[in-house]
Amino acid sequence: AQSVTQLDSQVPVFEEAPVELRCNYSSSVSVYLFWYVQYPNQGLQLLLKYLSGSTLVKGINGFEAEFNKSQTSFHLRKPSVHISDTAEYFCASTGFQKLVFGTGTRLLVSP
Amino acid sequence: DAGVIQSPRHEVTEMGQEVTLRCKPISGHDYLFWYRQTMMRGLELLIYFNNNVPIDDSGMPEDRFSAKMPNASFSTLKIQPSEPRDSAVYFCASSLARGTGGRFGNTEAFFGQGTRLTVV
Repeated sequence: AQSVTQLDSQVPVFEEAPVELRCNYSSSVSVYLFWYVQYPNQGLQLLLKYLSGSTLVKGINGFEAEFNKSQTSFHLRKPSVHISDTAEYFCASTGFQKLVFGTGTRLLVSP
Repeated sequence: DAGVIQSPRHEVTEMGQEVTLRCKPISGHDYLFWYRQTMMRGLELLIYFNNNVPIDDSGMPEDRFSAKMPNASFSTLKIQPSEPRDSAVYFCASSLARGTGGRFGNTEAFFGQGTRLTVV
């Protein structure tokens, strides 16, 4: 069965500090991996995606993620966060057709 | 393209009433997903369609929920009768699959703005 685990429900961080949001996936088939962001009262917006090729993927707003097959992880990172990065972040995977999401991590950036 | 369009944006209804949520996917996309989001359960996949055909409805909570996709440009999610525990934000998403062997790849899912349903 295909599943995605986000280990932290909430991550508080100070502005301009680095951040890592963790994601682990489980699947019996090869997967494609995604990170989405959701701002309050809005839909989900794609941050970045891993389909194949380089394991380091760069996305919008200065975010990047690294696909690690041996550790079945796809952690999201940003070297310096802004107040405007405060949002809910979802890791997702697709195996054969189905798009499955993790439970989300709320990133709280304070001054 | 205007993106995935959902209507209504907000719906308040009384318990026992029928509720119909609507979705217009992005033109040319061949997958359509319905999700439900609540604080307690997060983002749940209810059902998804491929080329207008329901592929997996195992996430539909019970028989009160039904979804249809009569053509490539329209889908509905119906709740009859509605209950207070159905209160949630319902999202529709669409995507275009490419690749080989029917793999869902080289694409991303585009989400609508959601319908906030409140059943009182």
